[in-house]
Parts: sequence; structure tokens; C-alpha cells
Amino acid sequence: DSGVTQTPKHLITATGQRVTLRCSPRSGDLSVYWYQQSLDQGLQFLIQYYNGEERAKGNILERFSAQQFPDLHSELNLSSLELGDSALYFCASSVGTGAGGGNIQYFGAGTRLSVL
Amino acid sequence: EDQVTQSPEALRLQEGESSSLNCSYTVSGLRGLFWYRQDPGKGPEFLFTLYSAGEEKEKERLKATLTKKESFLHITAPKPEDSATYLCAVPGDYKLSFGAGTTVTVRA
Repeated sequence: DSGVTQTPKHLITATGQRVTLRCSPRSGDLSVYWYQQSLDQGLQFLIQYYNGEERAKGNILERFSAQQFPDLHSELNLSSLELGDSALYFCASSVGTGAGGGNIQYFGAGTRLSVL
Repeated sequence: EDQVTQSPEALRLQEGESSSLNCSYTVSGLRGLFWYRQDPGKGPEFLFTLYSAGEEKEKERLKATLTKKESFLHITAPKPEDSATYLCAVPGDYKLSFGAGTTVTVRA
């Protein structure tokens, strides 16, 4: 168990809908990262928050947004869902910011999103 | 942009048959290299961090090594429970850039 908790584990929804994925980082970790994993794309970085502030963005669609709350949990909001958004969404957390070798990212078990 | 390439894509081994996985990378300045293990439908599990060429780390039947251009993950006398996808990643300013992974299947 990595200590990173993601809910829900599975989500099935229809095109055009909006969903929220939740992540609780490991105790003491201030950074939260969101990744998307699909069969043809591998693990792709979406966005990072550090202590409530957005720090970096990857190839995140405008339909997607995230935030980190004062208690450090994070939510990833996906709207106007399309079939191609079906994927595994992972949250990772780390103690610090920056992705240097000393800042190990620990991953949650993921949320499997199926858009029908 | 950082690039990570893993080979082979898939590896089928007999129990006890040792082998190696390759991770080659192109980065502007190496700040470490990570190895993760991922089981189907689960999140990546951290295995090792390597920081400099010549460094080696071991965990049970796994040994990771690092050169200036690539890293190897050696699996010695694998068991069926070593079946998984092994991912390597390099850190950028904020994110990890992952390779596509090597899926290892160990048959009893």
C-alpha cells in the first residue's frame, strides 16, 4: 500500500457528462500529481499541485481541471467527456516539489474511467 | 524534451531463466532515473532510484544498473510473481517522463 488513496476505483459514465476524481496524498506529502494512462499513450503527466498551488501543467485538455484543497487532498474534474477520455487516471504524491531524483513519487491505485 | 525508450516491449521467461530489460534515455541533465513495477489495473509501485553512472541497486531478484545513456533491470532466477510491467522514468522539472514499459511474463 503506497499510502495514496484514490476514489472511486471505477467510474462509468456517458459522453458529455462531468466527473470528479479524488485523491488523498500520503501523510506529510505536499505535492500531488495527476497522470493519465491509456493503452496507446502510456503514462502521461497532466498537472501538479504543491501545497495548494498549481506548479506545472502537462498536456492537460481545457475540459480538464484540478485543484488541491487546504487539507492537501486533490480533485481532478473532467467535463464534456468523450469516448477518448476513457483511461486509467493516477494520482501520485511526493514530499517536495520538483521531480529530481530525491523526490520520489508514490502512486495510488488509480481510477478507471469508462465513457460510453 | 526528455525521451525514454524501453526494450523489449514484452518478455516471456521460464521460471528461473534470468534476463535483462533495457531503458535508454535522452535528457538535458540527468537528475536520477526511476524504476517502477506495475501490475495489471494497479498503480506503479516504486522500486529504485539511481542517480549516477555506475550505481547499482538490488531488491530481491531485481538489480538495476545505470550508465550515462541507459539503465538495465536484471531479473535473476525469476518467479511467476515477478510477472508485471516494469516502467522506467526520468525526472524533469516537475514531472516524470515514463517509457512505455516492458511486460514480463514468467511461466512456472
